[in-house]
Amino acid sequence: GAGVSQTPSNKVTEKGKYVELRCDPISGHTALYWYRQSLGQGPEFLIYFQGTGAADDSGLPNDRFFAVRPEGSVSTLKIQRTERGDSAVYLCASSPKGGLEETQYFGPGTRLLVL
Amino acid sequence: AQSVAQPEDQVNVAEGNPLTVKCTYSVSGNPYLFWYVQYPNRGLQFLLKYITGDNLVKGSYGFEAEFNKSQTSFHLKKPSALVSDSALYFCAVRDQGTGRRALTFGSGTRLQVQP
Repeated sequence: GAGVSQTPSNKVTEKGKYVELRCDPISGHTALYWYRQSLGQGPEFLIYFQGTGAADDSGLPNDRFFAVRPEGSVSTLKIQRTERGDSAVYLCASSPKGGLEETQYFGPGTRLLVL
Repeated sequence: AQSVAQPEDQVNVAEGNPLTVKCTYSVSGNPYLFWYVQYPNRGLQFLLKYITGDNLVKGSYGFEAEFNKSQTSFHLKKPSALVSDSALYFCAVRDQGTGRRALTFGSGTRLQVQP
């Protein structure tokens, strides 16, 4: 079956603008995760959804970042008033039920560049 | 808090030789450990994981990893490297004790296999 998909693959925006990044998880996966990967670093956790609800949003850096998953499938990561420091690759992952032992399967990422 | 260290930024090995990519971790409880590989402009691909049981875990593409609790290590190994194994490798951990679903990643190790 299809893997995790993310759109757009690349996004260039200007400082201060609003952006939305979309993630479509593997069909049937109830758990969805967002990570951010800066150049030369490993991915850093942002937020975890179980179904429609954000079960852990402790990784969101500030209140400019927000994510939703209204129907328990597709998720959108929203960034307001973008800053140059937000430039990174945003990775989405999903897993079947959110169990601790489960593998997280990653999408190809959205590369965000804030000018 | 959980953490992962990958002490080598880069590992160079000749094709056909064995390779080792090192990973050590720190958790308060028992760990779940994962290895992922990242090719240029691609997302993370799952290689293998340690949950419980046999300390030697076998994964995709001929890779294996050995869990060593006393040394808090989970080194990735392959008996005979291929040029196509050249990529960025990430070790990640999840702490069973906290119940958090977020993965904590190391900073990555670039593997370069020379023909």
